[in-house]
Amino acid sequence: AQSVSQHNHHVILSEAASLELGCNYSYGGTVNLFWYVQYPGQHLQLLLKYFSGDPLVKGIKGFEAEFIKSKFSFNLRKPSVQWSDTAEYFCAVNSNFGNEKLTFGTGTRLTIIP
Amino acid sequence: DSGVTQTPKHLITATGQRVTLRCSPRSGDLSVYWYQQSLDQGLQFLIQYYNGEERAKGNILERFSAQQFPDLHSELNLSSLELGDSALYFCASSAGTDYNEQFFGPGTRLTVL
Repeated sequence: AQSVSQHNHHVILSEAASLELGCNYSYGGTVNLFWYVQYPGQHLQLLLKYFSGDPLVKGIKGFEAEFIKSKFSFNLRKPSVQWSDTAEYFCAVNSNFGNEKLTFGTGTRLTIIP
Repeated sequence: DSGVTQTPKHLITATGQRVTLRCSPRSGDLSVYWYQQSLDQGLQFLIQYYNGEERAKGNILERFSAQQFPDLHSELNLSSLELGDSALYFCASSAGTDYNEQFFGPGTRLTVL
């Protein structure tokens, strides 16, 4: 069975600080990887996705993530955060075969202090 | 706006009651997924439909059921409601091929009193 671990439950940063949120997954086959963001009171929005190819993926709002297959990791990064990045961030995985459900991590709450 | 719509936005009901949540997928999407988000369980997959047929089941209680209609909208039926069913219920849709992201609707917040 697939599982996703997000070890950082709550991260607090000042504006302009650099961000890295950890995501590790457990799955025996080939996977698709996703980061979603949920702003307060809103629905999940896709930040970026990895299906295949270049393991460094760039998404919206200046976010990027790197897929490291040997470490089963897909960490999210942003060089300089803004107050508007305050949100909850979810890493998710599904199999790249068969149009499958997403398995989500527990989420990381990011608070940016102005 | 993801293109996925859900109604109602909020639902307040009593224990033992039955409710129906509705989801309309993005135009052209064949797959609909239902997820439950709660404080203690996080985001959990409930059930998936593809072009009218049930495709996969997750942690869905027997008191819950769903269906996808010929126009591809989907309904999630929750019956004999308990306090613990209070949660945010999201619907997502995708085109239904192997390499697709899922687009999420705004959710229905269910409060069981």
